[in-house]
Amino acid sequence: EIVLTQSPATLSLSPGERATLSCRASQSVSSSLAWYQQKPGQAPRLLIYDASNRATGIPARFSGSGSGTDFTLTISSLEPQDFAVYYCQQRSNWPPITFGQGTRLEI
Amino acid sequence: EVQLVESGGGLVQPGGSLRLSCAASGFTFSSFWMSWVRQAPGKGLEWVASIKQDGSDKYYVDSLMGRFTISRDNAKDSLYLQMNSLRAEDTAVYYCARDPGQKTPTVNTLGCFDPWGQGTLVTVSS
Repeated sequence: EIVLTQSPATLSLSPGERATLSCRASQSVSSSLAWYQQKPGQAPRLLIYDASNRATGIPARFSGSGSGTDFTLTISSLEPQDFAVYYCQQRSNWPPITFGQGTRLEI
Repeated sequence: EVQLVESGGGLVQPGGSLRLSCAASGFTFSSFWMSWVRQAPGKGLEWVASIKQDGSDKYYVDSLMGRFTISRDNAKDSLYLQMNSLRAEDTAVYYCARDPGQKTPTVNTLGCFDPWGQGTLVTVSS
């Protein structure tokens, strides 16, 4: 099973600042990595798939990069609605599909 | 508008059974793989199971040890999760999700979730 480790666990920033979230895989997942955003009381929403492709309707301030074992989700300039929990997820050679433990982005 | 609506959650005693349903609308249900993902209270996300368009392939997380069964009825645009021998650790919000990917002889983009339903809470407690 591929284990995904996200860092930091909590990231405290202010609106307008740049956010950088990391996800490291226990073995290579090539580019088969996705990022999701989850707000309190809501279902997760797909932000990025295949490491760097924005899902439909996702603003350009969200970008993903990386391949192999190290990945980054960047939010270029934080909006108030971006404060949420972010999960990475791998789909390389599944099953199983696995998620990281999440990064909480807080004000 | 693509919509997924789960139902069937509730309080069940340890050892009991429950069947979750997910009603799909706004897209051609029979053209997509579908999945269940769960989230224990205050915890992260855990993939549970996935099923092929025609139901001929199914995959599960190993930890379920055969207690859960995923199924679908394309005539009713519905996805199901039969849960047996429930344990306290199965307490979670259960989400159904569409897999927008595809699998061909040369390309496999399966294993993503978009969109998700709003979830249904399953509580296993005496």
